[in-house]
Amino acid sequence: SAVISQKPSRDICQRGTSLTIQCQVDSQVTMMFWYRQQPGQSLTLIATANQGSEATYESGFVIDKFPISRPNLTFSTLTVSNMSPEDSSIYLCSVEKGGYGYTFGSGTRLTVV
Amino acid sequence: GENVEQHPSTLSVQEGDSAVIKCTYSDSASNYFPWYKQELGKGPQLIIDIRSNVGEKKDQRIAVTLNKTAKHFSLHITETQPEDSAVYFCAAIHLKAAGNKLTFGGGTRVLVKP
Repeated sequence: SAVISQKPSRDICQRGTSLTIQCQVDSQVTMMFWYRQQPGQSLTLIATANQGSEATYESGFVIDKFPISRPNLTFSTLTVSNMSPEDSSIYLCSVEKGGYGYTFGSGTRLTVV
Repeated sequence: GENVEQHPSTLSVQEGDSAVIKCTYSDSASNYFPWYKQELGKGPQLIIDIRSNVGEKKDQRIAVTLNKTAKHFSLHITETQPEDSAVYFCAAIHLKAAGNKLTFGGGTRVLVKP
C-alpha cells in the first residue's frame, strides 16, 4: 500500500489567515482525496484531486475556500483560506492504490483562534 | 448517494470479551466495505475490508461479515485487548463507478476496560 506523508501535523492559526497543507505519496497515484474531520465526528470528503485537471468539490465545499493543487502524481496541497474558528478540524489526505484500499495520511490538526 | 449508518456510537467492553459493530448501507451497488481504526492523534488505519462477492473474512482476532440482501455488514473483535481501544469507522463504496468515493459511518468509540 502507499505511504503518505502529511505536513504540518498540527498548527494554530489566527482567524483570517490561510494555511497550506501538503500531502506527499511514496508512489504515483491517479486520484488523491482531501477529507475534513470535525472534532468527534466522522470523515467528510472535501474534494478529489486529479493530476492535470481541476479538483472536484463535494457539496458544501468551494474552491475559493479550499483551493487544491495537484502538480504531479505524488503530491497535492490543500489550502484553508480566510480561516475562522469553525475551520478547526483535522484535515486528511487519502489515496487509493492498486487494490490495496484507501490509505490515509496522519492528518493535520488545525486550531483557529 | 450512498448513506452509511453505524451502531453503536460508543461501546465499552471488558478485556477478553468480544465487540461487535454494525453498519447498514443504502446503495445496493456498493461492492467494497472497509473498516478503519483511528487512534488518538492519528489518521484512520485500514484494519480489514470485504468485497461484495464474499460473505465473511477473518484476520486473527478481527472478522467482518457482509449480508448483501439486508445491506448490512459487521465488524467482530474477539478477545479484546486494551490496545483495541480506539474509534472505528465503517465505509462503503462502489468501486469502478464514475466519481466513486468512500462514504463513512458515524464512528464507534470502543473502550476496552482492563
